[in-house]
Amino acid sequence: QQQVKQSPQSLIVQKGGISIINCAYENTAFDYFPWYQQFPGKGPALLIAIRPDVSEKKEGRFTISFNKSAKQFSLHIMDSQPGDSATYFCAAFTSGTYKYIFGTGTRLKVLA
Amino acid sequence: DTEVTQTPKHLVMGMTNKKSLKCEQHMGHRAMYWYKQKAKKPPELMFVYSYEKLSINESVPSRFSPECPNSSLLNLHLHALQPEDSALYLCASSQELSSADTDTQYFGPGTRLTVL
Repeated sequence: QQQVKQSPQSLIVQKGGISIINCAYENTAFDYFPWYQQFPGKGPALLIAIRPDVSEKKEGRFTISFNKSAKQFSLHIMDSQPGDSATYFCAAFTSGTYKYIFGTGTRLKVLA
Repeated sequence: DTEVTQTPKHLVMGMTNKKSLKCEQHMGHRAMYWYKQKAKKPPELMFVYSYEKLSINESVPSRFSPECPNSSLLNLHLHALQPEDSALYLCASSQELSSADTDTQYFGPGTRLTVL
């Protein structure tokens, strides 16, 4: 119940296309859902985050869609660029705890 | 400024060596974390400090010894490591531990550790 399932494991998208990464969870106590972007050899960088009281959050080309009833959330990268090529991790967190539950990661490659 | 710095960037050590990793943040954050990340895997939590006191030890072997000298600094002392301990070691910080509005963890760039 503490798992966060992330898919796909890898994704190849053409430049200018839309990249979509999905995550699903079981624990309804999760109340904070960040997405991290990680380039090879670097630490994860917070990209965008959402709380379950909103269904969508947009920051530039990055959008989180949140479906509370389905217990799913997804990251959409519009107009994908080669510089977006990285590994993306979703995570879930419960206020009052200390631990992020990370998804398994998605390696995105955007072709020029 | 949401910067967490880590030194060194790379470290190679033998199994009998003693070395230390250093992490620093100047965001006034009171919670700091050590993670271990193997290739193509998500980060795994090792230790959590809150207000300079160790709050969580995720059953980490004693060859890893954390230390929090002050609110801005976090060290990880390494001794008698094994080759399987080779990984990217990440430090992170957050404003508070377990606060509903301050949960975001900010990661440093990591130290790439190789144990020979």
